[in-house]
Amino acid sequence: GESVGLHLPTLSVQEGDNSIINCAYSNSASDYFIWYKQESGKGPQFIIDIRSNMDKRQGQRVTVLLNKTVKHLSLQIAATQPGDSAVYFCAATEGPGTSYDKVIFGPGTSLSVIP
Amino acid sequence: EADIYQTPRYLVIGTGKKITLECSQTMGHDKMYWYQQDPGMELHLIHYSYGVNSTEKGDLSSESTVSRIRTEHFPLTLESARPSHTSQYLCASSALTFNEQFFGPGTRLTVL
Repeated sequence: GESVGLHLPTLSVQEGDNSIINCAYSNSASDYFIWYKQESGKGPQFIIDIRSNMDKRQGQRVTVLLNKTVKHLSLQIAATQPGDSAVYFCAATEGPGTSYDKVIFGPGTSLSVIP
Repeated sequence: EADIYQTPRYLVIGTGKKITLECSQTMGHDKMYWYQQDPGMELHLIHYSYGVNSTEKGDLSSESTVSRIRTEHFPLTLESARPSHTSQYLCASSALTFNEQFFGPGTRLTVL
């Protein structure tokens, strides 16, 4: 079946440095991608999304890069802060023509920010 | 701040009990979802709804059922709980024309 995965289950970053969280997906027909942040004891929170007709999208302190050739996307967090410590999930739609509702979530990367 | 609520937040019950996990949202969203998540693991979609009287099964086989009688309410019921149902259950909602899903805080279920 289709899968979405992250390259590293855990990531430790010094406060103030930039963080990069990577994700690979298997379905070349996936056309919509989302990053979520989940803090301990809470539900996931939407961070940023990107469609397959784009290769980069920027938000506040976050940037998502999409490389459809190698089926890879990344989340970059600038000037990482202690409040960024959380588990980050990437998610992808199952493919074109599929409702954006049904997305496949990856297993998550736990980001720890070292003060 | 998303207005989506789940009760109870924590539940410990014995095998064979019937339980209902509640989910309500005050945003007027048409679409609602239930996910199952083991600690630190990915989310698996178990049920979703496009609106009142609409319910669909997700990708993960589940022995639970859902109903959508009112737009704001999307309860999930387990007729006979088993230890294999021990997990976190997350409810989410989204507007018809937007893809962003808003998640509730989750219900952590333990079946003994």
